[in-house]
Amino acid sequence: AQSVSQHNHHVILSEAASLELGCNYSYGGTVNLFWYVQYPGQHLQLLLKYFSGDPLVKGIKGFEAEFIKSKFSFNLRKPSVQWSDTAEYFCAVNTPPGNQFYFGTGTSLTVIP
Amino acid sequence: ETGVTQSPTHLIKTRGQQVTLRCSSQSGHNTVSWYQQALGQGPQFIFQYYREEENGRGNFPPRFSGLQFPNYSSELNVNALELDDSALYLCASSPGLAGKNEQFFGPGTRLTVL
Repeated sequence: AQSVSQHNHHVILSEAASLELGCNYSYGGTVNLFWYVQYPGQHLQLLLKYFSGDPLVKGIKGFEAEFIKSKFSFNLRKPSVQWSDTAEYFCAVNTPPGNQFYFGTGTSLTVIP
Repeated sequence: ETGVTQSPTHLIKTRGQQVTLRCSSQSGHNTVSWYQQALGQGPQFIFQYYREEENGRGNFPPRFSGLQFPNYSSELNVNALELDDSALYLCASSPGLAGKNEQFFGPGTRLTVL
């Protein structure tokens, strides 16, 4: 079965620090990749997605992610975090054509002002 | 524009009982997906309904079943409840199959099985 690994369970950063959250998946075929974010007290919402084309995708709020097929990875990055980025971040993989979704266990990010 | 809504917000049941959870999709969305999120875990995909048909299922037993109605709202039914079914159940709607479209999540239903 497909699996998604997020190795960083809890990350604490100071404002203006750079962020990279790891995401690895196990499926060898075509995948669609996503990062979702859940801010405190809010619903899960999409940060960015990758279907095909340029492996470097840009999302909302200055986030970006790079798909490296050879490493089965889709790491999330932000050059300079803000206190408002404090949230839970989830990587997710969709495996067409089965239309199944697999989420990682999430990474809790705390940004200290 | 109304977002995804779910009812009830909280529910307590005992082992062996049956439960029905409801989800109203966002306006214009024809796809609803259901997820189970245990404490400290990521959402686990249960199934997806596209235009009233099941279109993709995760690794859940048949006692987890669903429906999608002509207005694209959806129900999740769980029979013969077990203690491990205690979790937050999330519904997400999308304007097409979830693999190719952004999913909009609801607030979830917290189910406790005693």
